Amino acid sequence: DAKTTQPNSMESNEEEPVHLPCNHSTISGTDYIHWYRQLPSQGPEYVIHGLTSNVNNRMASLAIAEDRKSSTLILHRATLRDAAVYYCILRESFSGSARQLTFGSGTQLTVLP
Amino acid sequence: NAGVTQTPKFRVLKTGQSMTLLCAQDMNHEYMYWYRQDPGMGLRLIHYSVGEGTTAKGEVPDGYNVSRLKKQNFLLGLESAAPSQTSVYFCASSYKVAGVFLTDTQYFGPGTRLTVL
Repeated sequence: DAKTTQPNSMESNEEEPVHLPCNHSTISGTDYIHWYRQLPSQGPEYVIHGLTSNVNNRMASLAIAEDRKSSTLILHRATLRDAAVYYCILRESFSGSARQLTFGSGTQLTVLP
Repeated sequence: NAGVTQTPKFRVLKTGQSMTLLCAQDMNHEYMYWYRQDPGMGLRLIHYSVGEGTTAKGEVPDGYNVSRLKKQNFLLGLESAAPSQTSVYFCASSYKVAGVFLTDTQYFGPGTRLTVL
């Protein structure tokens, strides 16, 4: 899987939007952009993924740059429960077998009350 | 749906003891995985399974065995526990993806915190 770069940490105020950036300048045309998060003392949790177009789901939005070299995870109204490590992961599209999910160091999001 | 569940949540073992960790999923997923997570490190894949009755080694398989007798269950065994196996163990599952320009999503359990003294 290609490499991603994320800030080590970010802070946000409760009920404000949060924009978590991710750079992936070596992304290939068939790489999907995935976001997972890990809350304290819990397992990783899938958040969202996309290929080229912006994506929305009940948890977040994913904005993908036109050249696909960067993306931004958007939490529209941060809550204290959103405090977690957020991981941006590139996954090559494929046909067939199971593969390891490789997490980098991620961004530690702190939400201030 | 309960999703992915793991038992037990916590366990303390003495060196040389054995134990089995159970993972269960109710999403009818074909693929299942066992990872370990150590402080300051990312998740590392121990073993995985692509279907009932099949298992394969991951990145760090030594000291562990697995079995997938039923599609919904994936067991991780430690035959003779060592302090180096102190870790948090996560099980995950995913649906089978077959085709070009598709991708996979893994769903994780809450983890088992194991301490080996």
